[in-house]
Amino acid sequence: DAKTTQPPSMDCAEGRAANLPCNHSTISGNEYVYWYRQIHSQGPQYIIHGLKNNETNEMASLIITEDRKSSTLILPHATLRDTAVYYCIVRPRSYNTDKLIFGTGTRLQVFP
Amino acid sequence: DAEITQSPRHKITETGRQVTLACHQTWNHNNMFWYRQDLGHGLRLIHYSYGVQDTNKGEVSDGYSVSRSNTEDLPLTLESAASSQTSVYFCASSSELASNTGELFFGEGSRLTVL
Repeated sequence: DAKTTQPPSMDCAEGRAANLPCNHSTISGNEYVYWYRQIHSQGPQYIIHGLKNNETNEMASLIITEDRKSSTLILPHATLRDTAVYYCIVRPRSYNTDKLIFGTGTRLQVFP
Repeated sequence: DAEITQSPRHKITETGRQVTLACHQTWNHNNMFWYRQDLGHGLRLIHYSYGVQDTNKGEVSDGYSVSRSNTEDLPLTLESAASSQTSVYFCASSSELASNTGELFFGEGSRLTVL
């Protein structure tokens, strides 16, 4: 069974906030939520991660619900360069690598 | 700057040939991973290693092998290439240090075509 569920695709206007949802209803107490993105055919790039508190860095914000069963990645001012596939994965902070499954992600298209 | 590099970036081979994809990282990371990416399947884990002389099978390891003789390199070998192994291959590494974010650093990928 998939550990995370994401919509296959989303659109966002340039300059607007992009909100990418992820469902992880079976997340365990020691599992973090990680987000990566993959631009075109490049290697995936780390964006952000969190356990239960909301997190923000220079790239994005991560909002995790109180029950930790879902999260939202927020790109506050999307640009055309943010067009990519976004992957949400859950895994323990220390590796249990059968958790390192990326799934098919959400393809975000930012339009002018 | 530290980096992770893959070679070759593009490779065309024939069915039955042995192929080795190289992965080299200069971060001194103990953890290294190989993924393959195919349309409709996202990234799937092939093999991984937690350190020198350590190798482990991922979810799609059949037909692939790896060896870890030093910290910097994790070559991926296809003993007898099959058309089903046509894919884009990504190598990644990470640090196990508690102070680290736990993120994976990915190479730029190697596109393999098996004819």
